[in-house]
Amino acid sequence: EAGVTQSPTHLIKTRGQQATLRCSPISGHTSVYWYQQALGLGLQFLLWYDEGEERNRGNFPPRFSGRQFPNYSSELNVNALELEDSALYLCASSLEAQRTQYFGPGTRLLVL
Amino acid sequence: GESVGLHLPTLSVQEGDNSIINCAYSNSASDYFIWYKQESGKGPQFIIDIRSNMDKRQGQRVTVLLNKTVKHLSLQIAATQPGDSAVYFCAANDGNQFYFGTGTSLTVIP
Repeated sequence: EAGVTQSPTHLIKTRGQQATLRCSPISGHTSVYWYQQALGLGLQFLLWYDEGEERNRGNFPPRFSGRQFPNYSSELNVNALELEDSALYLCASSLEAQRTQYFGPGTRLLVL
Repeated sequence: GESVGLHLPTLSVQEGDNSIINCAYSNSASDYFIWYKQESGKGPQFIIDIRSNMDKRQGQRVTVLLNKTVKHLSLQIAATQPGDSAVYFCAANDGNQFYFGTGTSLTVIP
């Protein structure tokens, strides 16, 4: 069974640009979660989607947004990139909402 | 809200010894906990979970202990191997989201 996949693996942008990160959950999982993992910090919760709806969002500005598609894949959009947005962005999926989450390999975003 | 912290940022153990990694949480409403392992350049990998109606759960070479009275959980790794070298962190869920600790970096000395 394929795990959670994310693309791209690496992304380099400059300040002010927009970034789009993509995630495909494990087959059958309807909940998708996005996290930011900055160097030296724990995972910070960004967004939770379930059945196509945004269920919860973390303490991040509105320029962090996303959506979930009918096939349960998801994308994270970060507008007006800032240097401090440089981090590993992790996507996870779960079969049941707020239960065991399985993570993808992440997208490493570098903002110059 | 919830805050999750690990007691030690780094831990070194001899190969073959047992490892214990500790984690504390603050919200008594948290009722589900997971331990993850993250190797360099990879996403977190699920190790073991435990619900608040249990105080101990065992897996293959791993045991998680939960003490709800003091809001503490630990991960015990038996007969630690070089492949166990990684960052380990715990996550606590309060029904709305998971809160993650910053991680303990485990180094296994051959």
